[in-house]
Amino acid sequence: DARVTQTPRHKVTEMGQEVTMRCQPILGHNTVFWYRQTMMQGLELLAYFRNRAPLDDSGMPKDRFSAEMPDATLATLKIQPSEPRDSAVYFCASGLNSPLHFGNGTRLTVT
Amino acid sequence: GQNIDQPTEMTATEGAIVQINCTYQTSGFNGLFWYQQHAGEAPTFLSYNVLDGLEEKGRFSSFLSRSKGYSYLLLKELQMKDSASYLCAVRDPAAGNKLTFGGGTRVLVKP
Repeated sequence: DARVTQTPRHKVTEMGQEVTMRCQPILGHNTVFWYRQTMMQGLELLAYFRNRAPLDDSGMPKDRFSAEMPDATLATLKIQPSEPRDSAVYFCASGLNSPLHFGNGTRLTVT
Repeated sequence: GQNIDQPTEMTATEGAIVQINCTYQTSGFNGLFWYQQHAGEAPTFLSYNVLDGLEEKGRFSSFLSRSKGYSYLLLKELQMKDSASYLCAVRDPAAGNKLTFGGGTRVLVKP
């Protein structure tokens, strides 16, 4: 089965450090989403790409977060500098029309 | 703006039926999705409605009324493995076709 692959699965880092999360979407999918999930906020959309072009990143704190798709097989989400409130599970999802397929997520802990 | 509401938690007995309601208010509408998410795992796609009516898939059914901004997910013959969170999501063409999720309904199935 084709699947969305995210790395790393877990990341523990100290406040102020840079964090990079990677996502390999399913081959042929033209939309990629980044979501953040916490107990309090549920699934929040951070950024959304179609055909590698950013369509919406209004949910992302611009001062510290950045999302890119350097090519069709790689999406990245960076946090610099990281803060304890960034601790969450970050999901990448890809799709072609519908529905979205989710990766297993990166569980980020910032101490 | 977008607003998607669903109950926080429901409890049901093994073998019974549970109905999870979802109401939405969005600028536009281009489909409603239900996802299942077990603790510590990624959301997985369950069903999709874009036209009014009932879609049935085995023990799971989903209903949509666009005029009422309302959907439900019906889980029949509940099994212990159905204990999970169920997420309602709406695709809004007025918001770039992004998928916005409700807070999720945690379903606990008891023996």
